[in-house]
Amino acid sequence: GAGVSQSPSNKVTEKGKDVELRCDPISGHTALYWYRQSLGQGLEFLIYFQGNSAPDKSGLPSDRFSAERTGGSVSTLTIQRTQQEDSAVYLCASRGRQEYGYTFGSGTRLTVV
Amino acid sequence: AQRVTQPEKLLSVFKGAPVELKCNYSYSGSPELFWYVQYSRQRLQLLLRHISRESIKGFTADLNKGETSFHLKKPFAQEEDSAMYYCALTPNSGYALNFGKGTSLLVTP
Repeated sequence: GAGVSQSPSNKVTEKGKDVELRCDPISGHTALYWYRQSLGQGLEFLIYFQGNSAPDKSGLPSDRFSAERTGGSVSTLTIQRTQQEDSAVYLCASRGRQEYGYTFGSGTRLTVV
Repeated sequence: AQRVTQPEKLLSVFKGAPVELKCNYSYSGSPELFWYVQYSRQRLQLLLRHISRESIKGFTADLNKGETSFHLKKPFAQEEDSAMYYCALTPNSGYALNFGKGTSLLVTP
């Protein structure tokens, strides 16, 4: 596609429910990143996929968070048993092999009530 | 450990005034450094990277390894420069970017 697509754009969920956030990167981009953006905290790295290599999960804040990337393309970030502190904008970015900069999606705003 | 520090949460300047957004980093090697910008209701986008030594929208940033800084500068700020600016670092392209907490720039007429 022309850009990085994320869905849904907004998600309101009840505390304790599971949510799935989707990212569709630019076609052909081998690297895919998930970040969390919250007020006063900037961009917090969550997870990084590079081709067929094992993902770098070092940024996931707890075992309630997980992500997968199927077929080297679409990625899904899953948050289980959501808590109010999970409320944030979740950003996805992808990068082509010969590029330095990331292309970001518009994000999913998650609100846990 | 890598760390990116942007000491100013908010910076307000008048139109036409010079602006400098500070970024300091801690990393023992030779990192790659970037500035990203997010305008209101728009996606985060790359502004410039130190390796290219370019000027984008009148902004420049020089890597000072002695002071471990990568400050973003513009001699004459414009109202359309009002946005959130993030400094970011990576050891190399094989790692994810580590972002600072951002500086909100407000340029007033």
